[in-house]
Amino acid sequence: DAGVTQSPTHLIKTRGQQVTLRCSPKSGHDTVSWYQQALGQGPQFIFQYYEEEERQRGNFPDRFSGHQFPNYSSELNVNALLLGDSALYLCASSLGGSETQYFGPGTRLLVL
Amino acid sequence: QKEVEQNSGPLSVPEGAIASLNCTYSDRVSQSFFWYRQYSGKSPELIMSIYSNGDKEDGRFTAQLNKASQYVSLLIRDSQPSDSATYLCAFPGDSNYQLIWGAGTKLIIKP
Repeated sequence: DAGVTQSPTHLIKTRGQQVTLRCSPKSGHDTVSWYQQALGQGPQFIFQYYEEEERQRGNFPDRFSGHQFPNYSSELNVNALLLGDSALYLCASSLGGSETQYFGPGTRLLVL
Repeated sequence: QKEVEQNSGPLSVPEGAIASLNCTYSDRVSQSFFWYRQYSGKSPELIMSIYSNGDKEDGRFTAQLNKASQYVSLLIRDSQPSDSATYLCAFPGDSNYQLIWGAGTKLIIKP
């Protein structure tokens, strides 16, 4: 049973650059949520994708955008990177409207 | 705005003892609660979910929910060094599509 996968595992960028993070949900799941986790904090909800549309968005600026593909995989794009965007980016998958979410290993982004 | 409060710790517990982790929440409407374990540098791993008042047991783990007092707790019996991690509690936001998280409690099991 394939779990949630994310790529890349680590990424270093400089301020102003753009980044794309990728996620494949757990086998059988159709919903992908993205979270940002700063050091020492709980995850913060960025947005959720279901049926290739953004279903809900958290309190993040428009620099953060996403996409879901027909195979349910998803991308998170961040434009005009800021130092404060350095964090662990987590992808979580679930089935339909289920509240139970399973996390991938995360992508650690460092912005210099 | 919904909030979750957890003692950041660290909570130090001797090996073999019971570790007790607590979480309080601000929303009286929430029906489900989740405990995740996060090892340093890793992603959160779901260990328990609870939906009804009372206790729910799964192996060495017991989740306790008290909706009237708005707290949920996690007990770990026979604590092992491998239980050393940060424990995060979470519950669904207004739409159930997002999880609202506490900052986590760091648990250290001393051999």
